[in-house]
Amino acid sequence: GAGVSQSPSNKVTEKGKDVELRCDPISGHTALYWYRQRLGQGLEFLIYFQGNSAPDKSGLPSDRFSAERTGESVSTLTIQRTQQEDSAVYLCASRPEGGANTEAFFGQGTRLTVV
Amino acid sequence: GDSVTQMEGPVTLSEEAFLTINCTYTATGYPSLFWYVQYPGEGLQLLLKATKADDKGSNKGFEATYRKETTSFHLEKGSVQVSDSAVYFCSSANAGGTSYGKLTFGQGTILTVHP
Repeated sequence: GAGVSQSPSNKVTEKGKDVELRCDPISGHTALYWYRQRLGQGLEFLIYFQGNSAPDKSGLPSDRFSAERTGESVSTLTIQRTQQEDSAVYLCASRPEGGANTEAFFGQGTRLTVV
Repeated sequence: GDSVTQMEGPVTLSEEAFLTINCTYTATGYPSLFWYVQYPGEGLQLLLKATKADDKGSNKGFEATYRKETTSFHLEKGSVQVSDSAVYFCSSANAGGTSYGKLTFGQGTILTVHP
């Protein structure tokens, strides 16, 4: 596709429900990143993938959060038993390769609201 | 681990004023450094980058110089315009070790420019 695509763009869920967020990176991009942006806050690192492996999962806030990536393409971020503090915009980005010099391309984000 | 610190915001300026947004980083090795911008209602996009010490990144009248001795990458513009109103994020990309390719972001600085 032309850019990084995230779905859904908006999600309202009840506390305690599970949600799944999807990211389609730019075709051929090997590196993929997930961030959380709370209202008025910066980008909080969650996890990143080099291909299908995740060298750094240190940002996942708790064991309710998990992410996977298959086929060096689509990634899903799953939040189990959602809590109100999970409400935020979840951003995905991809890079052509996982080195230090290349630009990251961001999706528009998924706005998650837990009620 | 790696971290990026930006000056406290928000910043409010009159059109044609001089802009500086401070950014400092801590990293293992020599990261690449980036400034990203998020215009109202849009996703994050790259503004400029520098990949080694003393490099100067520039774009749209903005400049930033990679200063290894002060571990800084301050963003400057000589004469801001109303259209520069946005959120600006400083970022580093890990260049070695087990977190090679990891992108770390500062908390963002909101810039508002008045006519």
